[in-house]
Amino acid sequence: DAGVIQSPRHEVTEMGQEVTLRCKPISGHDYLFWYRQTMMRGLELLIYFNNNVPIDDSGMPEDRFSAKMPNASFSTLKIQPSEPRDSAVYFCASSLARDNTEAFFGQGTRLTVV
Amino acid sequence: AQSVTQLGSHVSVSEGALVLLRCNYSSSVPPYLFWYVQYPNQGLQLLLKYTSAATLVKGINGFEAEFKKSETSFHLTKPSAHMSDAAEYFCAVSQSGGYNKLIFGAGTRLAVHP
Repeated sequence: DAGVIQSPRHEVTEMGQEVTLRCKPISGHDYLFWYRQTMMRGLELLIYFNNNVPIDDSGMPEDRFSAKMPNASFSTLKIQPSEPRDSAVYFCASSLARDNTEAFFGQGTRLTVV
Repeated sequence: AQSVTQLGSHVSVSEGALVLLRCNYSSSVPPYLFWYVQYPNQGLQLLLKYTSAATLVKGINGFEAEFKKSETSFHLTKPSAHMSDAAEYFCAVSQSGGYNKLIFGAGTRLAVHP
């Protein structure tokens, strides 16, 4: 398996624009997680899905953020409208539905909002 | 609620010296504990995880960690640092019940100098 695949790797956008980040989890994994990493706040869990259903979105910072998982092999994280403070590295991760199992991370998308 | 505290945001060691990265956790139930490593511009990679089968856990690249319930700690060690160990290290905790979500510490950046 190629691992968790995220696209794009880098995104530069202007404030106010819509941004869509994409993730393909490892085949067969039941859980999918979106994390955000910044210098100030470290790694924050934004939202996670189990079998394509959102389980906990309490980490989503604002209504400008939304995430979907239309099928087991694809998820998106959308920011609309984007703001400079959204600049961060966004990671997608997936895992099996077993206790004490690790999450496998993608390479991340570095988002810069100017 | 679960949490993880990593003592020391930056640690610097000489090549060949002992590496000790500290992690303390807080959990109301028996935790699952993990150490991840992040190299520059990369995603997170699992180093090792505590499985409750043994308190001393060996991971990749010569790292190991010891689970000490009485001290609520899961410190990461390596007897002899190598230049290639320079990276950021994250301790994480999750809980049983199929939730799988990882809560990360703030991270410790390890520098190795000649």
